[in-house]
Amino acid sequence: DTAVSQTPKYLVTQMGNDKSIKCEQNLGHDTMYWYKQDSKKFLKIMFSYNNKELIINETVPNRFSPKSPDKAHLNLHINSLELGDSAVYFCASSQVTGAFTDTQYFGPGTRLTVL
Amino acid sequence: AQKITQTQPGMFVQEKEAVTLDCTYDTSDPSYGLFWYKQPSSGEMIFLIYQGSYDQQNATEGRYSLNFQKARKSANLVISASQLGDSAMYFCAMRVLANQAGTALIFGKGTTLSVSS
Repeated sequence: DTAVSQTPKYLVTQMGNDKSIKCEQNLGHDTMYWYKQDSKKFLKIMFSYNNKELIINETVPNRFSPKSPDKAHLNLHINSLELGDSAVYFCASSQVTGAFTDTQYFGPGTRLTVL
Repeated sequence: AQKITQTQPGMFVQEKEAVTLDCTYDTSDPSYGLFWYKQPSSGEMIFLIYQGSYDQQNATEGRYSLNFQKARKSANLVISASQLGDSAMYFCAMRVLANQAGTALIFGKGTTLSVSS
């Protein structure tokens, strides 16, 4: 059973298009995250939701809009894609949001390539 | 500023040898968590081990141990008896307060470990 799943695994699209990435977790966790891993493998937090409520919104262009229909799902919609959006996007989840030792479990990642 | 530093871009080790991957961190918060993740060439992020800032003993998980030296602000990962399957990129991360509502992980730049037979 996959704990954190993402679809699609690969996404190739043209500049200017709009695309979505879906994430689901079956761990019963309350908190979900989106991270971006750039071409140099550097990982950075983008968003976090706790029980459907947005709690972390880092300095991300507002072309990126997360949506959480329920606490098991967190989707990422990207408008007007740019070349610089090419990256691997990871979804993650953790049981709670405030515990410093609470482990985050990652999905397999979605490799987005913008041409 | 909160920061994770991994100074070894690449490490090479022979099978069955032990290897230490370095990680230093910077935070003024008294509460934090330190984590290590493994990213093989297939791309997924695999959780390995964690250490809480108040934990007195070093964490261990199978062949992985975390050498936590709080005064030095270091959290090195030790892999004993390396295996070929350990070849991957390893990330040190720290869980910190992102804002009043939640915490998030900040990551180091990673260390690529290559294990040879």
